[in-house]
Amino acid sequence: DAGVIQSPRHEVTEMGQEVTLRCKPISGHNSLFWYRQTMMRGLELLIYFNNNVPIDDSGMPEDRFSAKMPNASFSTLKIQPSEPRDSAVYFCASQAGDAGKYEQYFGPGTRLTVT
Amino acid sequence: GENVEQHPSTLSVQEGDSAVIKCTYSDSASNYFPWYKQELGKGPQLIIDIRSNVGEKKDQRIAVTLNKTAKHFSLHITETQPEDSAVYFCAALLPEYGNKLVFGAGTILRVKS
Repeated sequence: DAGVIQSPRHEVTEMGQEVTLRCKPISGHNSLFWYRQTMMRGLELLIYFNNNVPIDDSGMPEDRFSAKMPNASFSTLKIQPSEPRDSAVYFCASQAGDAGKYEQYFGPGTRLTVT
Repeated sequence: GENVEQHPSTLSVQEGDSAVIKCTYSDSASNYFPWYKQELGKGPQLIIDIRSNVGEKKDQRIAVTLNKTAKHFSLHITETQPEDSAVYFCAALLPEYGNKLVFGAGTILRVKS
């Protein structure tokens, strides 16, 4: 099993530019989570999907952030326009989503730097 | 909402000694408590978890205990090794919010050889 795959691993961009982060969950998993990790705020849940449908986006900081899951094997997190305070490590995690299967498995993360 | 507090924030132990990290949670409905290990430059890795119908679970050198009455759970690492050095996170599941996990702030564990 390849695990959760994220790309790119590192992204450096200038303020105002659009940034797209990508995630491929573990095959067969039907729940997907996007997290942001910073020193100040720790691990924060941004949004999660179940069967490709967004269930809870209350953690999305503002309208500049959007996420999609067009199919069971792909999700994107987009920031437009990006700002320096968006600099963080963004993780995607997947979960089987079946009743009682709560284990979440994280990808390697995308380190975003906005200058 | 759920709040998970984790202590200590940093822990330094001598190789071979035991390490204990403690977490408390606020939502009595929480029923699943995982522990993650995060090494530098990597994503959090699930190392052990416990459900609310169990008081203790062991896997080789690591164990987790849960006290539902007091709403706290702990990670125990015995015979620590330098490769145990990492950041450890506890979390609690919010069943009324689907499968949402709330994470503690993390503990930096350093094992000195």
